[in-house]
Amino acid sequence: EVQLVESGGSLVQPGGSLRLSCGASGFPFINFWMSWVRQAPGKGLEWVANIKQDGSETYYADSVKGRFTISKDNAKNLVYLQMNSLRVEDTAVYYCARNRYFDFWGRGTLVTVSS
Amino acid sequence: DIQMTQSPSSLSASVRDRVTITCRASQGIGNDLGWYQQKPGQGPQRLIYAVSNLQSGVPSRFSGSGSGTEFTLTISSLQPEDFATYYCLQHFRYPFTFGQGTKLEIK
Repeated sequence: EVQLVESGGSLVQPGGSLRLSCGASGFPFINFWMSWVRQAPGKGLEWVANIKQDGSETYYADSVKGRFTISKDNAKNLVYLQMNSLRVEDTAVYYCARNRYFDFWGRGTLVTVSS
Repeated sequence: DIQMTQSPSSLSASVRDRVTITCRASQGIGNDLGWYQQKPGQGPQRLIYAVSNLQSGVPSRFSGSGSGTEFTLTISSLQPEDFATYYCLQHFRYPFTFGQGTKLEIK
């Protein structure tokens, strides 16, 4: 059974940093692209970033480019989202998803950016 | 960026009704279109991929169709567990974009 479990969300001040993690199990992690998608409170879904199987290619939404970094550890079955220079508008539930087209999702982790 | 215009934004319907949700892309996206269901407090679940292919384990009352720039999700006979929010997604070109969502409520 495919499982994705996000962690690392918390309350952080504007300008701060946070690293999210997503642990994967139930499938050959090394063979899959991985993605992050977010959802602001009461709003719709927004694609954030994704990373190729071997980490050689990454893509970002313009809203996070230059501030967020996605990475993948195939030895530990983990995907990360390093978030720097956080803004109030980054407040959201962050979901980890398998593949570029999100065929399986985790339950999400809440990031709140507030002073 | 490719804009995905989803309609309606909300919909009231009864159990056993047939409902259709539409997504219109601002340019052609080939077959790179999926549909997702999200229930409160949960991560989304993919229902349909590549316009019309049913995700494994998803009931056959869900179906997808369309081509070019216009796509539809149809639920042939609503069940109580189908009341949720639905989103379309294009992954033809970066940035990948979702429709605004359709909240399906019980009449």
